[in-house]
Amino acid sequence: AQSVAQPEDQVNVAEGNPLTVKCTYSVSGNPYLFWYVQYPNRGLQFLLKYITGDNLVKGSYGFEAEFNKSQTSFHLKKPSALVSDSALYFCAVRGPFYNQGGKLIFGQGTELSVKP
Amino acid sequence: DAMVIQNPRYQVTQFGKPVTLSCSQTLNHNVMYWYQQKSSQAPKLLFHYYDKDFNNEADTPDNFQSRRPNTSFCFLDIRSPGLGDAAMYLCATSRDVTAQYNEQFFGPGTRLTVL
Repeated sequence: AQSVAQPEDQVNVAEGNPLTVKCTYSVSGNPYLFWYVQYPNRGLQFLLKYITGDNLVKGSYGFEAEFNKSQTSFHLKKPSALVSDSALYFCAVRGPFYNQGGKLIFGQGTELSVKP
Repeated sequence: DAMVIQNPRYQVTQFGKPVTLSCSQTLNHNVMYWYQQKSSQAPKLLFHYYDKDFNNEADTPDNFQSRRPNTSFCFLDIRSPGLGDAAMYLCATSRDVTAQYNEQFFGPGTRLTVL
């Protein structure tokens, strides 16, 4: 069964420092992985995805993620955090089969707090 | 701008009183999804439509129904809301179900309160 895990409920970073939000996955077949961000009382916003190709994926708002097959990880990174990056971040994996409608299976979320 | 719109943003209903949440999209996407999200937990898929084909998740209660009268609109009906149904309801769309086009676009959500 497809699953993702986000081992940290919360990540605290000082503004200007690099940030990493961790995600590990377990899939049968090829992994199709996504990162979303959610601000309070808002829907989820797509940041980036890994389907195939380069292991380093660049996304919105300066975020990037590194796909590591041997470690089954897809960590989200940003070289220099902003206070406005403070939000809830979800890693997700696509369901494996066509008849699942491309459903996304989400991790439990990581609350990122960036302090000035 | 193409987008996913949900109305209302906040809905208050009484225990047992039917309620309908609305979602519309200007993206002309084939797939529409409804998720339930409780207090900053992971969104949980309730069901989705691929074009006119309805696909229910195995653990979605019968109390939840959906309609998609056309490509642009999709409704979530809760027939007899219980206190446990209070949550944020998120509508999402994707162009197709293949991996390449499976990126989902979310609406802002409707926060449902059950009194």
